[in-house]
Amino acid sequence: NAGVTQTPKFQVLKTGQSMTLQCAQDMNHNSMYWYRQDPGMGLRLIYYSASEGTTDKGEVPNGYNVSRLNKREFSLRLESAAPSQTSVYFCASSDVGYTEAFFGQGTRLTVV
Amino acid sequence: KQEVTQIPAALSVPEGENLVLNCSFTDSAIYNLQWFRQDPGKGLTSLLLIQSSQREQTSGRLNASLDKSSGRSTLYIAASQPGDSATYLCAVLLQGAQKLVFGQGTRLTINP
Repeated sequence: NAGVTQTPKFQVLKTGQSMTLQCAQDMNHNSMYWYRQDPGMGLRLIYYSASEGTTDKGEVPNGYNVSRLNKREFSLRLESAAPSQTSVYFCASSDVGYTEAFFGQGTRLTVV
Repeated sequence: KQEVTQIPAALSVPEGENLVLNCSFTDSAIYNLQWFRQDPGKGLTSLLLIQSSQREQTSGRLNASLDKSSGRSTLYIAASQPGDSATYLCAVLLQGAQKLVFGQGTRLTINP
């Protein structure tokens, strides 16, 4: 049982490049989330999807786009990477009320 | 806007002590509250989940309580061990929007 799988684990981008972070869960959860974690800032919500077909902005959505491809998959896209987007990105999934939220192992992204 | 606060930001205690970590939240309209552990450079591991209708949950040496009316939760760790050293985060799952909102965490160090 894989849980939440994120790819890639590490990535180095040059300023202005684009990339997509992939996330998939196999727990049949309705809700999925993308967070970034920076030293001293805690986990900040970028975007979330409460159900298949819906997406909403979190605290720090600027510079990012998301796609809820189906119930399993939720991708995060950086169209034009900036050094300020250097961070560790976590994907998570949960379901309403009665289940734990589960996290992927994270993607460590460096933008130079 | 839901805000989640964890106090203290850092805590250092000798091995064997019992300790309490605190989490407070401003909006009581939550589905549940979850405590996580994060080791340096790693992802988040779920420790305990408390539903909004529950008062506490226990797992081994860990006990989490929830007082929804006052917007507080505590994580009690009994007989602390050096292996308990990590950052502990609490998160609330909001009703309606179904957002998962985190506190900034408490960095715990257990000294042998």
